[in-house]
Amino acid sequence: QKEVEQNSGPLSVPEGAIASLNCTYSDRGSQSFFWYRQYSGKSPELIMFIYSNGDKEDGRFTAQLNKASQYVSLLIRDSQPSDSATYLCAVNMFDTGNQFYFGTGTSLTVIP
Amino acid sequence: NAGVTQTPKFRILKIGQSMTLQCTQDMNHNYMYWYRQDPGMGLKLIYYSVGAGITDKGEVPNGYNVSRSTTEDFPLRLELAAPSQTSVYFCASSYDQGSNNSPLHFGNGTRLTVT
Repeated sequence: QKEVEQNSGPLSVPEGAIASLNCTYSDRGSQSFFWYRQYSGKSPELIMFIYSNGDKEDGRFTAQLNKASQYVSLLIRDSQPSDSATYLCAVNMFDTGNQFYFGTGTSLTVIP
Repeated sequence: NAGVTQTPKFRILKIGQSMTLQCTQDMNHNYMYWYRQDPGMGLKLIYYSVGAGITDKGEVPNGYNVSRSTTEDFPLRLELAAPSQTSVYFCASSYDQGSNNSPLHFGNGTRLTVT
């Protein structure tokens, strides 16, 4: 059974703070990891992806991957009210027909 | 490029009716997927396709059928609609197996209600 776990939240942070979103996965064969943002009533949109251990930064976003601990996280610096959304963690495994497995998402609210 | 296009955006079905959710992509992606998303739940894979003529079941295929006659199109068929199929349906595509940075590109979704 391939599982992706996220804390459903809600997570509330004040404007300007750092939001930390976490995701764990069960299958050590997982190879690529994606963070999607989903606003209410909208489709998921890609924020960033990571596939090597360590940190990857893109603007205010940093993804962190630790394959030994089967853990991936997303940090949002200088959080803005427009960051309020549900964040979905997705894990990709090539040897299962390129399937993507999703967590249930973490709801983030940034308080002005 | 329009990306991934889904139609219709909304639909209400009566129990037992059938319908087809349309999905087309213009990015020449090999892989296409159908997901459903229920409130408070993650995305569950219904069916996927690795190329024209090839389809495979995902986590929740019961009650659905798909076909992939062309690279661009991947319709999802509901034959006998049931209330349990009330959900938001997302079609998605991705480019290449074996590439570490081939994310899913999503359509705008179809909100389906079965009453």
